[in-house]
Amino acid sequence: GAVVSQHPSWVICKSGTSVKIECRSLDFQATTMFWYRQFPKQSLMLMATSNEGSKATYEQGVEKDKFLINHASLTLSTLTVTSAHPEDSSFYICSARPQGGSYEQYFGPGTRLTVT
Amino acid sequence: GESVGLHLPTLSVQEGDNSIINCAYSNSASDYFIWYKQESGKGPQFIIDIRSNMDKRQGQRVTVLLNKTVKHLSLQIAATQPGDSAVYFCAENRRSGYSTLTFGKGTMLLVSP
Repeated sequence: GAVVSQHPSWVICKSGTSVKIECRSLDFQATTMFWYRQFPKQSLMLMATSNEGSKATYEQGVEKDKFLINHASLTLSTLTVTSAHPEDSSFYICSARPQGGSYEQYFGPGTRLTVT
Repeated sequence: GESVGLHLPTLSVQEGDNSIINCAYSNSASDYFIWYKQESGKGPQFIIDIRSNMDKRQGQRVTVLLNKTVKHLSLQIAATQPGDSAVYFCAENRRSGYSTLTFGKGTMLLVSP
């Protein structure tokens, strides 16, 4: 149980275009989902926290107009990277916290974004 | 600022040895800690967690020790196997408006057969 999926697993897009990444909790409902970014050989950096039905809370330094987050249901959150640039190339990972859960987060497999 | 950090970026061990991965944290208000394993190109995988009211917790081949006096967390892996090779992260729960995790820098564990 507690499986989180991400789609796509990898994507290549051209500079200036937008790309959407989906995060789904497959066998549980998630009130809260988290989006992380990870550069090679570095740790996970929290980008934003999203709660179902409300606006996401972004970490300091993360542009909310560039990284659009929508958490429209208890099983789906999306991250849209708008006007992508090569420096946005990274590994994006989502996690989900079960409804009624306290601290635990279940992670997705990640999405590799390459902007050319 | 406060952060979670690790002492050793890379740890090389022989198969069958016991491995110890360390983590220092500085946020004394953190009340929950987790160890994750991340294999190349994959998301983090939960290994074991511990709440701040405990000092030791054991799982299958893994033990987490928490020393709140010196703000130190360790992960012990018994009889390390080649399949244990990965990057290991500690994470702490920040007690803010709603719980979020702060990840440490990570330690790469390399297990030689």
